[in-house]
Amino acid sequence: AAGVIQSPRHLIKEKRETATLKCYPIPRHDTVYWYQQGPGQDPQFLISFYEKMQSDKGSIPDRFSAQQFSDYHSELNMSSLELGDSALYFCASSLQPASYEQYFGPGTRLTVT
Amino acid sequence: AQKITQTQPGMFVQEKEAVTLDCTYDTSDQSYGLFWYKQPSSGEMIFLIYQGSYDEQNATEGRYSLNFQKARKSANLVISASQLGDSAMYFCAMREGSSGNTGKLIFGQGTTLQVKP
Repeated sequence: AAGVIQSPRHLIKEKRETATLKCYPIPRHDTVYWYQQGPGQDPQFLISFYEKMQSDKGSIPDRFSAQQFSDYHSELNMSSLELGDSALYFCASSLQPASYEQYFGPGTRLTVT
Repeated sequence: AQKITQTQPGMFVQEKEAVTLDCTYDTSDQSYGLFWYKQPSSGEMIFLIYQGSYDEQNATEGRYSLNFQKARKSANLVISASQLGDSAMYFCAMREGSSGNTGKLIFGQGTTLQVKP
């Protein structure tokens, strides 16, 4: 069965650079979530989209922005990167927000040096 | 505010034995969902089991079962017949049903399980 695809899987950036993370949800899933997991931490919700509209916003820095496109894939744009942005970034998708099945992608490991 | 608490930072279990990972939650919603995810050292987040707040029976998925005690606000994960491949971090998570139904998950701190041969 098709799973959530994230690219790239690993990314190394320097401070003050920008990064773009991509997420391709499971086919027919219309809801996408982004989570950030710092080293040794639990995942923290950043932002979500339902039918290409932002549906919820968590602890996402103003330096980050995201959107969901017409084909339902989503991109997380991160600017002015800081050392503290080094983390594992997960995308998850579900068939509508109320669906109990929320499946995670493999994550993008971002390292900021 | 909603909160998930996992009080066991680390657990050991002997191979083939059963183990219970604790999870308590706090919410004022009547409608909510509880999840367990497994995160191996490779980092991916694997969905294990789900329990809805209105489900009368405890959820089961193969060797995983969820001991749901609504009055005590607990949703413990039971793994039967532990295998070496069960060694991983386990996260309990909650989705509130009435917060605009956006579906975001709140996670606990996680429990590291190590299965001994």
